[in-house]
Amino acid sequence: NAGVTQTPKFRILKIGQSMTLQCAQDMNHNYMYWYRQDPGMGLKLIYYSVGAGITDKGEVPNGYNVSRSTTEDFPLRLELAAPSQTSVYFCASSLASGDSYNSPLHFGNGTRLTVT
Amino acid sequence: KNEVEQSPQNLTAQEGEFITINCSYSVGISALHWLQQHPGGGIVSLFMLSSGKKKHGRLIATINIQEKHSSLHITASHPRDSAVYICAVSRPNFGNEKLTFGTGTRLTIIP
Repeated sequence: NAGVTQTPKFRILKIGQSMTLQCAQDMNHNYMYWYRQDPGMGLKLIYYSVGAGITDKGEVPNGYNVSRSTTEDFPLRLELAAPSQTSVYFCASSLASGDSYNSPLHFGNGTRLTVT
Repeated sequence: KNEVEQSPQNLTAQEGEFITINCSYSVGISALHWLQQHPGGGIVSLFMLSSGKKKHGRLIATINIQEKHSSLHITASHPRDSAVYICAVSRPNFGNEKLTFGTGTRLTIIP
């Protein structure tokens, strides 16, 4: 099993450009998440999905969009990139998520994005 | 004040030493996660616990719900344990979509 696979690993964008960060998991997890990690800050949730066709905003969704057409894939779209979106992005998945039955997160290796 | 505080922020120790990393939180929780982020950047989940103690190899995680405090211990530390250790808490009635993360403890083990 590959687990959670993110591509690309690194990317440099110019201000105003767009790109899609890819995320795929092969563990048949319903729950998937996108986080960003900035220096000196804890991980912040951008968007999450509880299953194919269902997505919801996290703590910092502005400037991003997501879709979940299949259980396996959860791409993150950046439209009109801005320097404030320079960060390391992590995709994660979990089998379950809830008060009565939670399960650990499985993370991808991250995408380091620089917007100049 | 952050809802999740970790201490120390940085820790350097000699190989073989017993390591303790602390996590304090100020909100009610349903579970606490310990994560390990290696120098290459990848993040691995070490533990998820809501009470008591869990052990995996040389790693031990404990939690005291009344004191709102958790510790991660590493016995017989090794240079490969060098990483950033992150604590995160999930809120009652929510799952992983409401995790609050600490800023991490950077551990360096010197041979």
